[in-house]
Amino acid sequence: QKEVEQDPGPLSVPEGAIVSLNCTYSNSAFQYFMWYRQYSRKGPELLMYTYSSGNKEDGRFTAQVDKSSKYISLFIRDSQPSDSATYLCAMSPVDAGNMLTFGGGTRLMVKP
Amino acid sequence: EAGVAQSPRYKIIEKRQSVAFWCNPISGHATLYWYQQILGQGPKLLIQFQNNGVVDDSQLPKDRFSAERLKGVDSTLKIQPAKLEDSAVYLCASSLLLGANVLTFGAGSRLTVL
Repeated sequence: QKEVEQDPGPLSVPEGAIVSLNCTYSNSAFQYFMWYRQYSRKGPELLMYTYSSGNKEDGRFTAQVDKSSKYISLFIRDSQPSDSATYLCAMSPVDAGNMLTFGGGTRLMVKP
Repeated sequence: EAGVAQSPRYKIIEKRQSVAFWCNPISGHATLYWYQQILGQGPKLLIQFQNNGVVDDSQLPKDRFSAERLKGVDSTLKIQPAKLEDSAVYLCASSLLLGANVLTFGAGSRLTVL
């Protein structure tokens, strides 16, 4: 079993839809949770960063962490064709510095 | 601020040949990482440098992979000899501090081994 699981998709939605992307994990030591967006033939870029449990909102993006269920989510409101990309979750324990463990990524396609 | 620079962007080699990738991190970033991203998978850490010292190389296949960051700035990742399963994108990333979880990635070097 992988430490971090993510549905690979592809997930296809119409423009304007609310998108929900999710990851589950098995390591209870994970405390930092991140979402990266990766466009085709580009490197990942950081979208959201949260510590421990709770919600964080940034514009159209909301990140949620439920440590009791070992489950994190990224919501995208009013999705745009420019949101079409692969979304990677990543996480690390408190004392492991930058030792990020990534999920496999979910490919999202937003159709005009 | 200039981003993380990587070269070459694409490389095709035959198995058993050697290849080298270069990375120049963001100016002032002390920590540098090399990740391997196989098609359809998330990035996997190969090696992490703090200045010119190795912090973690536990997942680096040391029989064929080597990396160095001699002056604590740019870095080179080498594969010799290459195997078919080394076909992947090699991503370089940097961060300002060890322990900071915000990484900035380069565009990657895509390797195809035939």
